[in-house]
Amino acid sequence: QSALTQPASVSGSPGQSITISCSGTSNDIGGYNYVSWYQQYPGKAPKLMIYGVSNRPSGVSYRFSGSKSANTASLTISGLQSEDEGDYYCTSWTSSSTWVFGGGTKLTVL
Amino acid sequence: QVQLVESGGGVVQPGRSLRLSCAASGFTFRSDAMHWVRQAPGKGLEWLAFISYDGSVKYYADSVKVRFTISRDNFKKTVYLQMNSLRPEDTAVYYCAKDRATTYTWDYWGQGTLVTVSS
Repeated sequence: QSALTQPASVSGSPGQSITISCSGTSNDIGGYNYVSWYQQYPGKAPKLMIYGVSNRPSGVSYRFSGSKSANTASLTISGLQSEDEGDYYCTSWTSSSTWVFGGGTKLTVL
Repeated sequence: QVQLVESGGGVVQPGRSLRLSCAASGFTFRSDAMHWVRQAPGKGLEWLAFISYDGSVKYYADSVKVRFTISRDNFKKTVYLQMNSLRPEDTAVYYCAKDRATTYTWDYWGQGTLVTVSS
């Protein structure tokens, strides 16, 4: 199972919006609505930000939203804040009864 | 509150074995599936293994399915990862994570335990 494809890095200024893409295949992202997004700070465990493509867990800011089109999922962060800086990973359930992660995207808030 | 505490990491020689443990508290452990995920130094996350709430269903990543075994003890509220024939590329922080039922994702993670495979 190949990893999902994410950009290595994205950046934005405070207050702006950014979008991180996550590309897969019909065997993962395209075949199921089981895409999740995680935020990770250095040395810390990942934190769930989006599940089921577009659902936010309790306590996650409304500024985080998710979507999917065909084999590509996206995470959008609006009203960028300095605390949003970190690494972001997408993940999906697959037709092989496994889970696959994206390679991760480093978000820099300028 | 939900707590997951991994233990058992350390330095091990290539070809040797190691068993990781993850002690759970703060939720009904016997009702939830569990996973192991790892992260090599400076690298991304890699899902490794899943075990259903009762241990009857297990899934593995291709990269470890011959060498690693996931198991659980619902009385001890602990999930395990037995790792055999360890290789230098298995060097990573190993996290256990609680399955978020019906959503195919993880809602709580432990702090991780570092495994270093080196001679």
